[in-house]
Amino acid sequence: DSGVTQTPKHLITATGQRVTLRCSPRSGDLSVYWYQQSLDQGLQFLIQYYNGEERAKGNILERFSAQQFPDLHSELNLSSLELGDSALYFCASSVGQSTPLHFGNGTRLTVT
Amino acid sequence: DQQVKQNSPSLSVQEGRISILNCDYTNSMFDYFLWYKKYPAEGPTFLISISSIKDKNEDGRFTVFLNKSAKHLSLHIVPSQPGDSAVYFCAASRKAGGTSYGKLTFGQGTILTVHP
Repeated sequence: DSGVTQTPKHLITATGQRVTLRCSPRSGDLSVYWYQQSLDQGLQFLIQYYNGEERAKGNILERFSAQQFPDLHSELNLSSLELGDSALYFCASSVGQSTPLHFGNGTRLTVT
Repeated sequence: DQQVKQNSPSLSVQEGRISILNCDYTNSMFDYFLWYKKYPAEGPTFLISISSIKDKNEDGRFTVFLNKSAKHLSLHIVPSQPGDSAVYFCAASRKAGGTSYGKLTFGQGTILTVHP
């Protein structure tokens, strides 16, 4: 158990809809990272927050947004969903801004 | 543009023998490399890492070798055990302007199967 909690585990929704994925980092970790794993792209970095502030951005679509709250949990919002957004979304956390990252078990999103 | 490549999708090894997983990278700015292991229905688990100032790092049965001139790293598992059967991901990172090492670039993964 990595100590990183992601909810929900599975999510099935229709195209055009909006969903929110939630992540609770390990106790004491200030950094939260979001990664997307799709079949053809592998694990791709989306975005990082450190103590509530955005610190790094990857190839995150404009339809996606994230935030980290004062209690350090984070949410990833995906809107105007398309079939291609179907993927595993992983959250990871670390103490500071350095690795190693500790990953949650992911949220599997299926867009139909 | 795949900056980190694991060219072997799978590897099959007998229990007790050595497993060697390989990874190549193209971005010479990467200065920190990691290996993660992933079981089905779980997130990746950190295994071992190496900084670009070293060429070898060892942790128990796991050793990572880095050849910067060849832009190649490998993970050796000795001896291999059936419980090592998993997907292994190579990842790389760089620290530019004091920003995070957490922006990892992953390879596509290698499925390791260790037979009893």
